Amino acid sequence: QLQLQESGPGLVKPSETLSLTCTVSGGSISTRGYFWGWIRQSPGKGLEWIGNIYHSGSTYYNPSLKSRVTISVDTSKKQFFLKVSSVNAADTAVYYCARSSSDHFYGMDVWGQGTTVTVSS
Amino acid sequence: DIQMTQSPSSLSASVGDRVIITCRASQSIGSSLNWYQQRPGKAPKLLIYAASTLQSGVPSRFSGSGSGTDFTLTIGSLQPEDFATYYCQQSFSTLMYTFGQGTKLEIK
Repeated sequence: QLQLQESGPGLVKPSETLSLTCTVSGGSISTRGYFWGWIRQSPGKGLEWIGNIYHSGSTYYNPSLKSRVTISVDTSKKQFFLKVSSVNAADTAVYYCARSSSDHFYGMDVWGQGTTVTVSS
Repeated sequence: DIQMTQSPSSLSASVGDRVIITCRASQSIGSSLNWYQQRPGKAPKLLIYAASTLQSGVPSRFSGSGSGTDFTLTIGSLQPEDFATYYCQQSFSTLMYTFGQGTKLEIK
């Protein structure tokens, strides 16, 4: 059974870069028809899609975050990554990684448990 | 960008009630509409994809309908574990997914 696990620092200083890793276990990251993505949820707020990556490296970003976000993948390690530069308090959130499947009309059928990131000095 | 608008934003209901949550897209998205349930402190869970297809393992009291711009999520007979927040999400544009703002379902 496919599982996703986020990891990374829980505290990031303002103006620095937030870096998170999502590790895929129980399945392949290179299977056709799957996108791997990041979603975040600020305290008490709704879900915000950050972006997706395909195993080939093709990326798709939320235009509102595109200038500060980079998503990358290392298929050999079965990991994909999120970097958000120049963070501020508004980037404080729970960050989730998830799989979008063409089998599910690109609904996100597998999610990590989420990791809390706080931006504070 | 495709905007998704859910209504209501919150809803009070009792165990056994039938509830309907609606989601409207700012442009036609065909059937590329997914529904999620999120319980407090947990990751979202895919309930329905392609507007009306029940995800494996999801109880049959959940159903979805609609196409184009207007969609509904119906819970046939509320159970205690159904009190949660529900989100719609469009996947018509794989370049840019968007979520609705959420509907919080509370116990009356």
